[in-house]
Amino acid sequence: GDSVTQMEGPVTLSEEAFLTINCTYTATGYPSLFWYVQYPGEGLQLLLKATKADDKGSNKGFEATYRKETTSFHLEKGSVQVSDSAVYFCALRGRRALTFGSGTRLQVQP
Amino acid sequence: EPEVTQTPSHQVTQMGQEVILRCVPISNHLYFYWYRQILGQKVEFLVSFYNNEISEKSEIFDDQFSVERPDGSNFTLKIRSTKLEDSAMYFCASSEAPSGNSPLHFGNGTRLTVT
Repeated sequence: GDSVTQMEGPVTLSEEAFLTINCTYTATGYPSLFWYVQYPGEGLQLLLKATKADDKGSNKGFEATYRKETTSFHLEKGSVQVSDSAVYFCALRGRRALTFGSGTRLQVQP
Repeated sequence: EPEVTQTPSHQVTQMGQEVILRCVPISNHLYFYWYRQILGQKVEFLVSFYNNEISEKSEIFDDQFSVERPDGSNFTLKIRSTKLEDSAMYFCASSEAPSGNSPLHFGNGTRLTVT
């Protein structure tokens, strides 16, 4: 079945550091890929998406490229801010409903 | 921007009691979902709903769970006889279409605490 694997957290960075959160997936067919973010005390918000191979999703300075050859969708940001502290979930959607990874907590220190 | 709204934000109930969690999806969306997140764990799929019937459900969604769209706006999740292990954050979501191009939009969740 479909599955998503994310790097374990927490990831602790200083402000303005470069961020990478790794995500790999297993799926049949050609899923769409998503990153969702969960700020403290809030629900899940769509951060970015990519629907086919080599697509790059981007939003709020975050980027992720759909790599079919490595079945990956790593999240990157060039310069993180304290306000980026949250839990980040990688997810895929194939034929079935959305399947989430286990989430990676990011803590950005001033 | 339109959003999914869930009520209540926090529900406390005793083991064995019935609870109903309520959701108002985005108005032009046709596909509805429930997910749950046990504290510190993965977000898990429960059920999807379209055209007044369940289109898919997970192994978690057993006979204790049911969903309903009682009117044109609400989408509810009922747990008939709650257990301690039902304590979790329950998220409702909706989408325009079932395909992968159509992202799910989530509500802020209902935290269910079973004592």
